[in-house]
Amino acid sequence: EPEVTQTPSHQVTQMGQEVILRCVPISNHLYFYWYRQILGQKVEFLVSFYNNEISEKSEIFDDQFSVERPDGSNFTLKIRSTKLEDSAMYFCASIDGGPGEQYFGPGTRLTVT
Amino acid sequence: RKEVEQDPGPFNVPEGATVAFNCTYSNSASQSFFWYRQDCRKEPKLLMSVYSSGNEDGRFTAQLNRASQYISLLIRDSKLSDSATYLCVVRGGSNYKLTFGKGTLLTVNP
Repeated sequence: EPEVTQTPSHQVTQMGQEVILRCVPISNHLYFYWYRQILGQKVEFLVSFYNNEISEKSEIFDDQFSVERPDGSNFTLKIRSTKLEDSAMYFCASIDGGPGEQYFGPGTRLTVT
Repeated sequence: RKEVEQDPGPFNVPEGATVAFNCTYSNSASQSFFWYRQDCRKEPKLLMSVYSSGNEDGRFTAQLNRASQYISLLIRDSKLSDSATYLCVVRGGSNYKLTFGKGTLLTVNP
C-alpha cells in the first residue's frame, strides 16, 4: 500500500535554529498538507499546497514558516528561527486530485530546547 | 465556540461493552465528516467516513445530523485493540483541509 513518509522521526534543535522537516507524499497525489499537534492538544492545520503554491494557510503559519516542493517528490516545511512553542509532532498529509482520503505520514517529533 | 467539540473523556470500558462518542461542529458549510483513530504518538488514521444516512462498518456505526451539526460513533462489542484516541474530523473548503476535535481517549480493559 502506498504511504507518506517523513524524515527525521525525531529532531532536537536549539531555540533560534532553523529546521527543515521532510516529507515524501504518495506519488500521484496533488494536494499536500502540514499539520501539527502539540503534546496533549488537537491536530491543527498549518498549510495546504497545490499546483506548486500555497493554497491556504492558518494563523499559525506565520513568516517563520515556509514550504517547498523542490523536486517531484519531496515536500518540506522550514521553520526559520525555532521557538520553544514550536515543539510538537508535525504531520505531512496528501490526497489525490479529488476529495479522497487524506493519508498521513508517521510524523516528525520536533523538540526545541 | 470551538470548531469541533468532542466529549472530553476519557472512557474506560470492559471488553465487550458498547461505547458512544459524540461530536458537534460549528461550521454549517462543512462538507465531509470522518472519524479517525490515533494511537499514542502515532499519526491519525481514517476509521470511517460519516454520511447523513448513517453508515456501519462491522462493529462501528457512525451517524450525522446536519441540522443539529452533530456526529456520533458507536462501537459495539469493544476489543482491547480498540483502545485509542478517537478524533472527530470535518472537512470543508476548496482545499480539503481537515479540522480536528481534541479527541476522546478510549481504554478497553480485559
